Amino acid sequence: AQKITQTQPGMFVQEKEAVTLDCTYDTSDPSYGLFWYKQPSSGEMIFLIYQGSYDQQNATEGRYSLNFQKARKSANLVISASQLGDSAMYFCAMRGGSNDYKLSFGAGTTVTVRA
Amino acid sequence: GAVVSQHPSRVICKSGTSVKIECRSLDFQATTMFWYRQFPKQSLMLMATSNEGSKATYEQGVEKDKFLINHASLTLSTLTVTSAHPEDSSFYICSAKIAGGAREFGPGTRLTVL
Repeated sequence: AQKITQTQPGMFVQEKEAVTLDCTYDTSDPSYGLFWYKQPSSGEMIFLIYQGSYDQQNATEGRYSLNFQKARKSANLVISASQLGDSAMYFCAMRGGSNDYKLSFGAGTTVTVRA
Repeated sequence: GAVVSQHPSRVICKSGTSVKIECRSLDFQATTMFWYRQFPKQSLMLMATSNEGSKATYEQGVEKDKFLINHASLTLSTLTVTSAHPEDSSFYICSAKIAGGAREFGPGTRLTVL
């Protein structure tokens, strides 16, 4: 069974500062993928970044970077230079195994960026 | 890029009626689609996996007779909430598997049952 844990229900960050969102996971599959999605108040799910379990380097996409620590089973998202438009709910998700297409989601973290 | 649409975006219905939600892949073929339900301020919970041309696979605890899923073509999956009740009010989101294992989500459908 897979499990995704996000322990921060809500976070405040000052505009232009960086914020780290925690995500830990548990799986027995050697092959898996980790995703981060942003969900603004409109409800749409916006894909941010992906990390494969065999990827040697941490994924980066613009202001988003994923701090992947495989031994600790953590995949924290770092948002640099926060903007007001970053205020949203953020979900960590995992796809497990090469033939398991399902995504399991964490509880989510609400980020509020202050001017 | 891959686009998934959902229709309707919002629906209000009376208790006891059935509601159909459509999920379409606009510029790609989706052999597998997923249906999620999300209550306010909560996470997405997978309801079922929809496979083109075959029966959907439901997650434990999801009533297959209550939530009918049909994936009749490579670009369309439908979720029908039968005999809807107020407790079915929720945000329903579909997702399609695209190349490379990524997922594209639809914009969601907000269902309110009076």
